[in-house]
Amino acid sequence: SYDLTQPPSVSVSPGQTASITCSGDKLGTKYVAWYQQKPGQSPLLVIYQDTKRPSGIPERFSGSNSGNTATLAISGTQAMDEADYYCQAWDSNTVVFGGGTKLTVL
Amino acid sequence: QVQLQESGPGLVKPSQTLSLTCTVSGGSISSGSYYWSWIRQPAGKGLEWIGRIYTSGSTIYNPSLTTRVSMWVDPSKNQFSLRLSSVTATDTAVYYCARDHGSGTFQPGWFDPWGQGTLVTVSS
Repeated sequence: SYDLTQPPSVSVSPGQTASITCSGDKLGTKYVAWYQQKPGQSPLLVIYQDTKRPSGIPERFSGSNSGNTATLAISGTQAMDEADYYCQAWDSNTVVFGGGTKLTVL
Repeated sequence: QVQLQESGPGLVKPSQTLSLTCTVSGGSISSGSYYWSWIRQPAGKGLEWIGRIYTSGSTIYNPSLTTRVSMWVDPSKNQFSLRLSSVTATDTAVYYCARDHGSGTFQPGWFDPWGQGTLVTVSS
């Protein structure tokens, strides 16, 4: 089965750039989506097809994907960005999610 | 805008069948060439995709669950449904339905929007 690996936690100071990675074999050949999930809430799509932002998602959210690693970057991180983030891809006709990264804004 | 709402029993006994329905509002389930997916999340854990269905009835399931899962769609009610048989405590989770932006049964997609989720507990 295909695995997507994320760091369990990432910390960032307010106003700085947070980078959350998602690693998988030849991940750069697949489309990656990213979801934000706050406690008690449903996941919210923040990036799809590697780099695209849905309507209503702030410009400070951006994505990239190359080689074996996809990255979600949040520039000018705010306290409201503190949440769990999940990457998602498709492999062998099934959807795979990363294990999730807890972003802490210190 | 499109909204999704899950419904169904919150408690299911071990070995029985879990049944959930997702009602789509704000748009037709048959429009836009979208797929519709179920995803679950055990408490404190990550997300697991269960499967997707198209309004034609075409389905694809997670290989780890395929022997126990079935999905169907009722366009007249703007609903799609999930059935998971022979449940155990490991099936206890919040179950989400979501609109799936895949372009074909075997084509990758992404999920937006999601329902609010419904907690299903498997216990005697």
